[in-house]
Amino acid sequence: AQKITQTQPGMFVQEKEAVTLDCTYDTSDQSYGLFWYKQPSSGEMIFLIYQGSYDEQNATEGRYSLNFQKARKSANLVISASQLGDSAMYFCAMREGSTGANNLFFGTGTRLTVIP
Amino acid sequence: DTGVSQDPRHKITKRGQNVTFRCDPISEHNRLYWYRQTLGQGPEFLTYFQNEAQLEKSRLLSDRFSAERPKGSFSTLEIQRTEQGDSAMYLCASSSGRDLTDTQYFGPGTRLTVL
Repeated sequence: AQKITQTQPGMFVQEKEAVTLDCTYDTSDQSYGLFWYKQPSSGEMIFLIYQGSYDEQNATEGRYSLNFQKARKSANLVISASQLGDSAMYFCAMREGSTGANNLFFGTGTRLTVIP
Repeated sequence: DTGVSQDPRHKITKRGQNVTFRCDPISEHNRLYWYRQTLGQGPEFLTYFQNEAQLEKSRLLSDRFSAERPKGSFSTLEIQRTEQGDSAMYLCASSSGRDLTDTQYFGPGTRLTVL
């Protein structure tokens, strides 16, 4: 089974509007971390936001917020007030805690296009 | 504090040749990771170093691949006898290992094309 599922291959949003990018995860660990990265066409993965499994509050970083629903195993990224520079690939990733492994598992990504 | 750097940014090689990529992590980051990303996919983990010790290797890392981090600073990833299936973006990341999030910061990647 896929550890991270991103079901939206592509999304469009009007400039200045908000958009939600979906992410569901699969783990039996109690301790894990969830990450969102942005990958512009240049290729570099840019860290956006982190949510720990024990965090009770949804994470926020500027225009980014994470809608964390633990029971549903979802960690959706919300981008408010979209800007043209937000057009990129967005990847959800997870690090599991119990095995001691440090690698991230990534989804297949969502391509976001911001329309002027 | 500069970010993660990788060299070269692009590499074109012929099948059967050996290639070597370099990654310089964020200074004082003791953890270093290599990932591979093929077209339309998310990055896939290859290997992980803590200081100079290689602690994890993915099954994706065949015996044609070798990674080193001899002094616990920069790392190299070598692919011997390249195959067309090795064509991908190779991403390096580093983390400090000193905070709860242990966020991995990525470099710009090396795009390999095997002809």
